[in-house]
Amino acid sequence: QKEVEQDPGPLSVPEGAIVSLNCTYSNSAFQYFMWYRQYSRKGPELLMYTYSSGNKEDGRFTAQVDKSSKYISLFIRDSQPSDSATYLCAMTLNRDDKIIFGKGTRLHILP
Amino acid sequence: ETGVTQSPTHLIKTRGQQVTLRCSSQSGHNTVSWYQQALGQGPQFIFQYYREEENGRGNFPPRFSGLQFPNYSSELNVNALELDDSALYLCASSSGGPNEKLFFGSGTQLSVL
Repeated sequence: QKEVEQDPGPLSVPEGAIVSLNCTYSNSAFQYFMWYRQYSRKGPELLMYTYSSGNKEDGRFTAQVDKSSKYISLFIRDSQPSDSATYLCAMTLNRDDKIIFGKGTRLHILP
Repeated sequence: ETGVTQSPTHLIKTRGQQVTLRCSSQSGHNTVSWYQQALGQGPQFIFQYYREEENGRGNFPPRFSGLQFPNYSSELNVNALELDDSALYLCASSSGGPNEKLFFGSGTQLSVL
């Protein structure tokens, strides 16, 4: 079983829809959870950074962490064509440990 | 733009050759991490340097080596290139110690023929 599982997509949704992206993980010791956005031919860009369980909101983006289910989510409200990218979930045991990435989900927002 | 710059942007090498990739970290950042991203995969951790010392290594063979310089810029060296080394190599920098929020460069696309 891989440490981090993420559906690679592609996921296509109409502009304005709510997007839900998810990851599951196997190691219950993970404490820090991140979402990165990666455009084609670019490096990943940090979107959300959370510690332990709970929700975090930043503009149109909401990150949720459910440690009991080992499941994290990213919601994008009022999706825009510029949100079309690959979204990578990532997590780490502590602030001194390596970051483990999911495969990424390719998202297409249709105008 | 993150302020992390990598060179070159693209590189073509043949099997068995050696390659050096370079990274300039964002101003004020003292930690540099290197990741390998194969096509259709997430980035995989190669190693990290914190204040010029290696501070953790992923599951990569010794032919992957690195350096961090006093100005916190960094190099990734790969010897005896193999076809499977073809990937996007990403450098990321952070401040305030290891694994604070990472800021990635745009990467070096390496093709091994």
